[in-house]
Amino acid sequence: EAQVTQNPRYLITVTGKKLTVTCSQNMNHEYMSWYRQDPGLGLRQIYYSMNVEVTDKGDVPEGYKVSRKEKRNFPLILESPSPNQTSLYFCASSFSGAANTGELFFGEGSRLTVL
Amino acid sequence: GQQVMQIPQYQHVQEGEDFTTYCNSSTTLSNIQWYKQRPGGHPVFLIQLVKSGEVKKQKRLTFQFGEAKKNSSLHITATQTTDVGTYFCAGPSSGGSNYKLTFGKGTLLTVNP
Repeated sequence: EAQVTQNPRYLITVTGKKLTVTCSQNMNHEYMSWYRQDPGLGLRQIYYSMNVEVTDKGDVPEGYKVSRKEKRNFPLILESPSPNQTSLYFCASSFSGAANTGELFFGEGSRLTVL
Repeated sequence: GQQVMQIPQYQHVQEGEDFTTYCNSSTTLSNIQWYKQRPGGHPVFLIQLVKSGEVKKQKRLTFQFGEAKKNSSLHITATQTTDVGTYFCAGPSSGGSNYKLTFGKGTLLTVNP
């Protein structure tokens, strides 16, 4: 089954404790992206990757890091989480550039709470 | 930077009534996409519009892309309780990048049975 898998789905952590949210897709997609969703603000892009070893900032990259060492994986790293990073995070992938081919496939989401 | 605005933010209807959400971009878009997110779920792709003035239908859903490619609409005829959710439009970032997709804030549709 074609899917985007995120882990963990839920996490409560404390300020400053490094954490990684993993994302994996089994569709051989070149493009992957991270979004955060907050009430009243919709979906905002954090980082995206056009292919292995190629990443770029989205609209709200501060406080986040990403890497793309393998085509299927695109982890989101919070080196020193802060309460303002409490949010619902979505990983998404598509065959090519998101705007070229349409159809972003989203993961189930990871709800992160930073105390 | 580019802005994609959606109105209304919320819409409550009685089952059987029609519903429309509008999307406006501050810049001309090469294409526009629509997604639906059920409560507690993740966004799911509905459609992509590419051509100026394009109209596409999916059963009770009608999608339009404006002639100037700066606005779009989603119209649902005779809403059902299964239509409940948030509808997002999304467009490529201005500046030539086809990799940054900017989402509107969405329209939350609730349907009273």
